[in-house]
Amino acid sequence: KAGVTQTPRYLIKTRGQQVTLSCSPISGHRSVSWYQQTPGQGLQFLFEYFSETQRNKGNFPGRFSGRQFSNSRSEMNVSTLELGDSALYLCASSNRDKNTGELFFGEGSRLTVL
Amino acid sequence: QKEVEQNSGPLSVPEGAIASLNCTYSDRGSQSFFWYRQYSGKSPELIMFIYSNGDKEDGRFTAQLNKASQYVSLLIRDSQPSDSATYLCAVKVDSNYQLIWGAGTKLIIKP
Repeated sequence: KAGVTQTPRYLIKTRGQQVTLSCSPISGHRSVSWYQQTPGQGLQFLFEYFSETQRNKGNFPGRFSGRQFSNSRSEMNVSTLELGDSALYLCASSNRDKNTGELFFGEGSRLTVL
Repeated sequence: QKEVEQNSGPLSVPEGAIASLNCTYSDRGSQSFFWYRQYSGKSPELIMFIYSNGDKEDGRFTAQLNKASQYVSLLIRDSQPSDSATYLCAVKVDSNYQLIWGAGTKLIIKP
């Protein structure tokens, strides 16, 4: 069974640019959550999508957005990049139907903003 | 505000000893509790989850839950250098599927 796939794995952008990250969840999982992780900050929840609808949202500015497609793949977009957006962005898929709360993480997309 | 607290460490434990990692949470309605391990440069992976008061054992790992004290812990017996990682505690509060995360405890097992 394939795991969670995130692309790209690494990317470098400059301030003011925008970036789109992609996540393909485990087959059969319809929930995709996005997290930002920076040293010392732990996992910061961005948002969760389930059945193409945003179900939960963390405390991030509107520059951070996402969407989910009918095949459960998800993308997140960050516009007008700032230096502080440099982080590891993790996608996690889960089977909401099982209601266990267990998350399966992808390898992450490491974004560097110069 | 719902919070999950962990000591950031680092927690240094000699090889072969028991490592004890602790986590406290603020919301008494919390239902499920998870321990994730994250190696440096890698993504978190689930080690154990626990729903009921008491102990749950899986190999060298034991999760302990005390809902009255709002406390969950992870014990690692016979610690190995390969256990060196950051351990993240996460709590599922209610029917909302979102997990509340602690900042993680860095564990170092010294040979």
